[in-house]
Amino acid sequence: DSGVTQTPKHLITATGQRVTLRCSPRSGDLSVYWYQQSLDQGLQFLIQYYNGEERAKGNILERFSAQQFPDLHSELNLSSLELGDSALYFCASSVDLKAEAFFGQGTRLTVV
Amino acid sequence: AQRVTQPEKLLSVFKGAPVELKCNYSYSGSPELFWYVQYSRQRLQLLLRHISRESIKGFTADLNKGETSFHLKKPFAQEEDSAMYYCALRSNQAGTALIFGKGTTLSVSS
Repeated sequence: DSGVTQTPKHLITATGQRVTLRCSPRSGDLSVYWYQQSLDQGLQFLIQYYNGEERAKGNILERFSAQQFPDLHSELNLSSLELGDSALYFCASSVDLKAEAFFGQGTRLTVV
Repeated sequence: AQRVTQPEKLLSVFKGAPVELKCNYSYSGSPELFWYVQYSRQRLQLLLRHISRESIKGFTADLNKGETSFHLKKPFAQEEDSAMYYCALRSNQAGTALIFGKGTTLSVSS
């Protein structure tokens, strides 16, 4: 157990809907990363937060947004869902910007 | 552009055979490279990072700046090594995020 907790583990929803994925980082970790894993694209970096502030954006669609709260947990919001958004979404955390990143188990999103 | 290339999607070997998982990168400056492993239905775990020069589970990787490579090697494969292996590069353009290759599935059979 890496200490990074993601909920829910599985999510099935219809096209056009909106979902929220939650990530609780390891205790003391300030940095949170979100990644999308799909069969054709592999692991794509979406967005990074550090101590509540957005740090960097990767290949994140405009329909997606995220935030990190004062207690350092993070949420990834996905809206106007399309079939192609079906993927495994991973959260990772690290104690600072250069430390090893620990990954959660992921949330498997299926859009039908 | 910062990029990681893993040319093999699948590598199949027999137990006891040597293993080499290839990783090439594109980066300007001094790269920080990692290998992560993902066993079936489990989370990604850090296997090793080049700055620590450790050998984990018998795996080693050497950074070759001339060839821009960071290949993962193990002299004798075990069945429990079967997993997906990802090579990753720490970005200096996208915060400090890791940029991953597409991964190589290692299958070790007896």
